[in-house]
Amino acid sequence: DAKTTQPPSMDCAEGRAANLPCNHSTISGNEYVYWYRQIHSQGPQYIIHGLKNNETNEMASLIITEDRKSSTLILPHATLRDTAVYYCIASKTGATNKLIFGTGTLLAVQP
Amino acid sequence: DTAVSQTPKYLVTQMGNDKSIKCEQNLGHDTMYWYKQDSKKFLKIMFSYNNKELIINETVPNRFSPKSPDKAHLNLHINSLELGDSAVYFCASSRESGYTFGSGTRLTVV
Repeated sequence: DAKTTQPPSMDCAEGRAANLPCNHSTISGNEYVYWYRQIHSQGPQYIIHGLKNNETNEMASLIITEDRKSSTLILPHATLRDTAVYYCIASKTGATNKLIFGTGTLLAVQP
Repeated sequence: DTAVSQTPKYLVTQMGNDKSIKCEQNLGHDTMYWYKQDSKKFLKIMFSYNNKELIINETVPNRFSPKSPDKAHLNLHINSLELGDSAVYFCASSRESGYTFGSGTRLTVV
């Protein structure tokens, strides 16, 4: 699985959009970009994933560059409850594949 | 209903003891996993089962023995517990993509 690089920490003001970047320059053609988050003392939570096209769901939007070497997770209106470690993972789908978590980005939403 | 449930939530035990952690998922997923999160917060996969068959074993000591009686359950038995086994253990399940994690079992070995 391709390695991903994320900033260790970011701050965001409550109510503003949080844009979390991720570099995955060695991603292969059949690897998806997944985003998970882990709120303190909880299990990781799936947010969104995509292959080439931008994706949006009720939690967030995922913007993937045309060359697929980087992506941005957007939380449109961050709340204090969005404070968490956000993990960007490049992985294939299927039973034999595994999610390999890096160190992630600690997003601190400030009041 | 909790999608992936683990028991117990907390487990404190002495070195050398044997303990088990149970995991059940009601999502109808085919694949289940155990992850370990150490004190430095690294999340590392330990095992993966697909339809009751072991498919991933990440060089975990053989004191750790997963057992999957059916595809909705994946239990983790640990023999001869050591101080270094202290961690939070997460169970997860998936079908094709998008893992669902349990809330974790905090194991403390004293």
